[in-house]
This record gives sequence, structure tokens and C-alpha cells, in this order.
Amino acid sequence: SQQGEEDPQALSIQEGENATMNCSYKTSINNLQWYRQNSGRGLVHLILIRSNEREKHSGRLRVTLDTSKKSSSLLITASRAADTASYFCATDANAGGTSYGKLTFGQGTILTVHP
Amino acid sequence: DTEVTQTPKHLVMGMTNKKSLKCEQHMGHRAMYWYKQKAKKPPELMFVYSYEKLSINESVPSRFSPECPNSSLLNLHLHALQPEDSALYLCASSQNVLLWDYEQYFGPGTRLTVT
Repeated sequence: SQQGEEDPQALSIQEGENATMNCSYKTSINNLQWYRQNSGRGLVHLILIRSNEREKHSGRLRVTLDTSKKSSSLLITASRAADTASYFCATDANAGGTSYGKLTFGQGTILTVHP
Repeated sequence: DTEVTQTPKHLVMGMTNKKSLKCEQHMGHRAMYWYKQKAKKPPELMFVYSYEKLSINESVPSRFSPECPNSSLLNLHLHALQPEDSALYLCASSQNVLLWDYEQYFGPGTRLTVT
């Protein structure tokens, strides 16, 4: 089964608007992470939320985690053109133990922020 | 230094060639990873090295041969590749795989084209 499905697949907004992306997963997790990838480049870690946390903030980013629904959301407030990128959630599917490095990435959301 | 470097940036090779991808980090991380990413898809884990030992091989064909000569270096040797192996190859590192919470640091990737 596919771990980490994201929606929407693509999101287009104007600068200054908020962008919300969602991620669903199927198995129990230790943590969920969000990464950003600019076109054709490496991924950059944005934020990690542990399974016993419900909400976490980092600058303009707000992440929520609902383990009962097996879902997470990433909110980017006051978006900028520089936020244009693909955003991936990633889970380590071995709750209660270590996944030994195995992260499974969602399909990603392509965010376009128009100036 | 929080950087993972990868060389070369671009590689074009024939199906009979032998080439190698190189990855380096100087953050003292003891886990290193190879991912394969096709266009508009999420990264797919190929290999994980933990303390210079191969800990995860995601059933990768033997035409891909990883090597970890020391804790800072990771190589991926390529031989007799197929055109469908054309992709962005990403290297990543993390503190270690025995922690429950760890972010992965990604390099910029090598864009591989097999002709």
C-alpha cells in the first residue's frame, strides 16, 4: 500500500495568500516530516512532527498531525514567489521502534506562487 | 558545514559504460542513503548505509552497486544500465539510523541520462 498520499497534487496561489497541503498515511508512525524540493534539485527538510505532537510551528510554517485520522497538513502563511516548489511528506513506518533510515515519501504537492 | 555534495551534476552514459556517482558529507553523520527520483515522482529509497555497512537494499538491480569507503563518502557504481534508469539520483545523510527522530540532508543530485 502507498504510504503518504498528498493532496492537492498541484496548488496555484497569489503571493500573500496561504497555502495548505495535506498528507495521509496508512500505518502507524514515529514521526512525519515535510520536505521541499525546488525544481530538479535536492530536498530540503522543513519540519518534523512526532507522533505524540499535534501541532508544530516554524517561521511561516504550521504543521498539524492527527494520528487518529492518519493525516497531516502543512500550512504556509503569507506565501512568497520563492515558496514555489514541490512539497513532500515523509513517514517512517515503524511505530515503537526505529525504521533504520527508511523514509517513505508521499506523491507530493506542486505549489506555484504567482508574484 | 551542513552540506552534502554530489558529483557529477550531470552524466550521460551508454548502456555498456561503467560510471560512478560520488557523494560526500562532513557533518559527522553515520547514515547515508541513495535515492532514485523520476520526473514528477517522489524519491524512492535504494540503499541505506549505517556506520559504513549496508543496512537496507530495496531490491535494487545488481547493475547498481553501492560502496561506502568511509564515513564521509558514498559511491554508486553503475554498469550496464538501461534507458529506464535515467533519473535524478539523490544522496542523503543523517545523524544515524538508530534514533527515532532524524532529518535527512540531501545533496543536489546527479541527473543521469542513459542512451
